[in-house]
Amino acid sequence: EVQLLESGGGLVLPGGSLRLSCAVSGFTFRTYAMVWVRQAPGKGLEWVSVISGHGDDTYYADSVRGRFTISRDTSKNMLYLEMNGLRAEDTAVYYCAKDGGQYMDHWGQGTLVTVSS
Amino acid sequence: SFVLTQSPSVSVAPGKTATITCGGHRIGSTSVSWYQQKPGQAPVLVIYFDGDRPSGIPERFSGSNSGNTATLTISRVEAGDEADYYCQVWDSTSDYVFGPGTTVTVL
Repeated sequence: EVQLLESGGGLVLPGGSLRLSCAVSGFTFRTYAMVWVRQAPGKGLEWVSVISGHGDDTYYADSVRGRFTISRDTSKNMLYLEMNGLRAEDTAVYYCAKDGGQYMDHWGQGTLVTVSS
Repeated sequence: SFVLTQSPSVSVAPGKTATITCGGHRIGSTSVSWYQQKPGQAPVLVIYFDGDRPSGIPERFSGSNSGNTATLTISRVEAGDEADYYCQVWDSTSDYVFGPGTTVTVL
């Protein structure tokens, strides 16, 4: 059974940093690209970032490029999202998801990030 | 970049058919996926590659895609189908693009 479990969310001051983690199991991690998607309170889904299976290729939404860094540790079956220069508009539930081929076939339960003073 | 449009809401009586559309320029030339999201829960994939269903998704859920419109159809609607539904495509310039979502209300 595929499982994804996010952690690391919380309350952070504007301009602060946070690192989200996603522990995965139930599939061959290194074979699949992994994605971060976020959802602001009461809003729709927004793609944030994707990393290739081998980790060499990363892409970001314009809204986070230069501030967020996606990475993965295949030895630990872990996906990460390092977030710097956080803004109020980054407040959202952040989901990690497995890429099934340009779509997300499995999602974690999400972790809430709140950026506020 | 690819822009997707969806009607904000759809209301349907139990047992009837719900039709949810996703508009985009020449969306028929790409593959569309659909996600169901119930309040307080993570999204769940219900349709991929326009009309394929993941294991565990009822046959009542079907999809099609042509021209400028993709469609998610829910037949014999049940109370448990009440949720937000999002379409999504992959675009080489925008990567993953989501529609704004449609709220399905079961009357």
